[in-house]
Amino acid sequence: KQEVTQIPAALSVPEGENLVLNCSFTDSAIYNLQWFRQDPGKGLTSLLLIQSSQREQTSGRLNASLDKSSGRSTLYIAASQPGDSATYLCAAQIPHTGANSKLTFGKGITLSVRP
Amino acid sequence: SQTIHQWPATLVQPVGSPLSLECTVEGTSNPNLYWYRQAAGRGLQLLFYSVGIGQISSEVPQNLSASRPQDRQFILSSKKLLLSDSGFYLCAWDTGTGGGSNQPQHFGDGTRLSIL
Repeated sequence: KQEVTQIPAALSVPEGENLVLNCSFTDSAIYNLQWFRQDPGKGLTSLLLIQSSQREQTSGRLNASLDKSSGRSTLYIAASQPGDSATYLCAAQIPHTGANSKLTFGKGITLSVRP
Repeated sequence: SQTIHQWPATLVQPVGSPLSLECTVEGTSNPNLYWYRQAAGRGLQLLFYSVGIGQISSEVPQNLSASRPQDRQFILSSKKLLLSDSGFYLCAWDTGTGGGSNQPQHFGDGTRLSIL
């Protein structure tokens, strides 16, 4: 059974700092690894998707990496801003009978960027 | 462009009352549709998924049911709500068949359900 873990549960950093959010998964048989952002009381917004054959994806100040062999992914945020404050969730897309695939989510890391 | 709508945004219901949450998707055809629940202190839990009209699969035994009467409409229901049904319910869609996808799941804004 795939398990996705995100540690720590919360993180507070000063504005301008570069930071790394970690995600680990137990089963390397994944189709892809997705990172989402969730603002309080809102749904999830897709940030980056890394295919299993890829090592990293970049979008603006965000860079996500994937190491299947070690079961790890990281989300790097450069020059953090107060607007980056949110909960960041990672999810592994895995094979699933019937639905073709499913997402298994971590519990998320709540990031607070202090002005 | 594709959009996903969920309503209502917030709902307060007494124990034992019925429930109907609706989700619709625009701008795409034959999407895979999903209902998730996010309970306090817990991760997102997949409740139901559907790969086509009338095709519903349940991930966990529960007091809830789902239906897909039209291609882009997904409904979450209950005949009698329990206290444990409280949570944040999210609908999502994606495309792709045959295992795996290079397209992410797209989520609605969710419904906050409180059971009294």
